[in-house]
Amino acid sequence: AQSVTQLGSHVSVSEGALVLLRCNYSSSVPPYLFWYVQYPNQGLQLLLKYTTGATLVKGINGFEAEFKKSETSFHLTKPSAHMSDAAEYFCAVSAASGTYKYIFGTGTRLKVLA
Amino acid sequence: GAVVSQHPSWVICKSGTSVKIECRSLDFQATTMFWYRQFPKQSLMLMATSNEGSKATYEQGVEKDKFLINHASLTLSTLTVTSAHPEDSSFYICSAIPGLAGAEQYFGPGTRLTVT
Repeated sequence: AQSVTQLGSHVSVSEGALVLLRCNYSSSVPPYLFWYVQYPNQGLQLLLKYTTGATLVKGINGFEAEFKKSETSFHLTKPSAHMSDAAEYFCAVSAASGTYKYIFGTGTRLKVLA
Repeated sequence: GAVVSQHPSWVICKSGTSVKIECRSLDFQATTMFWYRQFPKQSLMLMATSNEGSKATYEQGVEKDKFLINHASLTLSTLTVTSAHPEDSSFYICSAIPGLAGAEQYFGPGTRLTVT
């Protein structure tokens, strides 16, 4: 069975400050891990993914995440927040084989303060 | 690349009627499509997995006779909400996987359904 926990349903940061959104997962099989961003009334856009290989993954818009197997974590970071980063962020896990169904976390709403 | 569209983007229907939502992969063939439901300020709930040419696999608790899914081709899946009721009002999002490479899902822009 797989599960995802996103700590912090709401995170506020000042513009220019570090963004850290936390994601911990549980998986009995090698996981694929994803971060998506959702703007109001829109679908989800892929920020980055981890499947195999390098554990530090760089994505779009300056975001990156590090897969830490020992900590079962896949936290999302960005060195300097921009006002346009304000959105809902979802972490998702799927199995490395099979149906590729996602299990989503509950989401974290990021607010960027001017 | 890897664009998924949904139609309509929003729809209002009367209670008791049926409404069909289309999900299309525009520039790739989708072996698998997924249908999600999202309530306000909540995460996405997987409703069903749709594979071209076969019956959809529904998640536990999802009424397959109410939410009819048809994956008629490698670029089109449809979700029909039958005998809609106000509690079916929600944001419905589809996604598609372009083969097995990377296994990431590409999401459509969503359809806002309001049942009056």
